[in-house]
Amino acid sequence: LAKTTQPISMDSYEGQEVNITCSHNNIATNDYITWYQQFPSQGPRFIIQGYKTKVTNEVASLFIPADRKSSTLSLPRVSLSDTAVYYCLVGPTGGGNKLTFGTGTQLKVEL
Amino acid sequence: EAQVTQNPRYLITVTGKKLTVTCSQNMNHEYMSWYRQDPGLGLRQIYYSMNVEVTDKGDVPEGYKVSRKEKRNFPLILESPSPNQTSLYFCASSRDRESGYTFGSGTRLTVV
Repeated sequence: LAKTTQPISMDSYEGQEVNITCSHNNIATNDYITWYQQFPSQGPRFIIQGYKTKVTNEVASLFIPADRKSSTLSLPRVSLSDTAVYYCLVGPTGGGNKLTFGTGTQLKVEL
Repeated sequence: EAQVTQNPRYLITVTGKKLTVTCSQNMNHEYMSWYRQDPGLGLRQIYYSMNVEVTDKGDVPEGYKVSRKEKRNFPLILESPSPNQTSLYFCASSRDRESGYTFGSGTRLTVV
């Protein structure tokens, strides 16, 4: 599985756009890039998934350059409730595979 | 409501006493998985299942067993729990290879 590297922590203020970048130099051809959000003592929640270029949903955008060796999760206009740990995963998605979460990025949003 | 249900939410047990943590999903998902979460180590996969009677080891399977006799259930069995299995456990399910996981609310296990 491709190993991922993401910042341990980030700080932001309400109303700002937050971009969290994940490096995955060894991504394989059939790997997807998936991001999850986790609040304390809760299970992770699926945010967004992509294979290449840009994906957008009601929560976030995911930017993937052509070489796919990195990806950026973009959270528009964050609020206090976006304070959480964000995980970047690379690999065949779904339950039928080994899926490694890593330690994630702790995002703290302040007033 | 579509969900993954784990029981119990909290459990304190003694070393060596067999226990089972149940997991059930009502979404008819093919795939299910168990994770443990420990401070500083993130989420680590214990076992996963691709369908009924099909299971495989994740990254940290030692000391655990699973079974998948029905599509909706995926219990985690600790035959002889030890203190190093004290952790927060999550069960998850997924519809297919291209879908994200839906996680349960977690089971906080303490082995003394």
